[in-house]
Amino acid sequence: DAKTTQPPSMDCAEGRAANLPCNHSTISGNEYVYWYRQIHSQGPQYIIHGLKNNETNEMASLIITEDRKSSTLILPHATLRDTAVYYCIVSNYGQNFVFGPGTRLSVLP
Amino acid sequence: ETGVTQTPRHLVMGMTNKKSLKCEQHLGHNAMYWYKQSAKKPLELMFVYSLEERVENNSVPSRFSPECPNSSHLFLHLHTLQPEDSALYLCASTGGAGMNTEAFFGQGTRLTVV
Repeated sequence: DAKTTQPPSMDCAEGRAANLPCNHSTISGNEYVYWYRQIHSQGPQYIIHGLKNNETNEMASLIITEDRKSSTLILPHATLRDTAVYYCIVSNYGQNFVFGPGTRLSVLP
Repeated sequence: ETGVTQTPRHLVMGMTNKKSLKCEQHLGHNAMYWYKQSAKKPLELMFVYSLEERVENNSVPSRFSPECPNSSHLFLHLHTLQPEDSALYLCASTGGAGMNTEAFFGQGTRLTVV
């Protein structure tokens, strides 16, 4: 079973920041938080990952709480092409990614 | 383009047919995975190979038979499938145990069993 819980769906206005939450209260000390997205039944696309520090790349930012029990993926300026299912996964050193149902993000014009 | 290539992209097969799905990566990764994604369901992990040895088989029926001849190639052999096996089959690779790398996914094979 997936070790994370996410809201099933969210809406976001185009151009605004999309903040996607994830709870992972049973995360262990050597597990990383990974985020992926899947657009229209294509293969999942890697977005970002982190251990305990906040991370930022060209796609998104990842904010992990100090107790590591939850995190938030931030898409700073959502576009229509960001409409997808977003998956939050915890994994030990990149092994055996187990996917939950994810959050279906709809970016609205 | 992720560096993980799956062929074919689409496959229609009868219940008595035998077919194979192919996955190839040249990323230097040593762990490869098969996932199944049925309509409107999350991805289900089927098989895990690490250094060409199968390390996990998540109660997958024997009509699905994986093969990993080397660290760059992974096959899924299919025989006497059922219509409920129709799904998107995804291959992924990672650096392997002890390496903190993200998983790279192929674009999948859309399988329809008739």
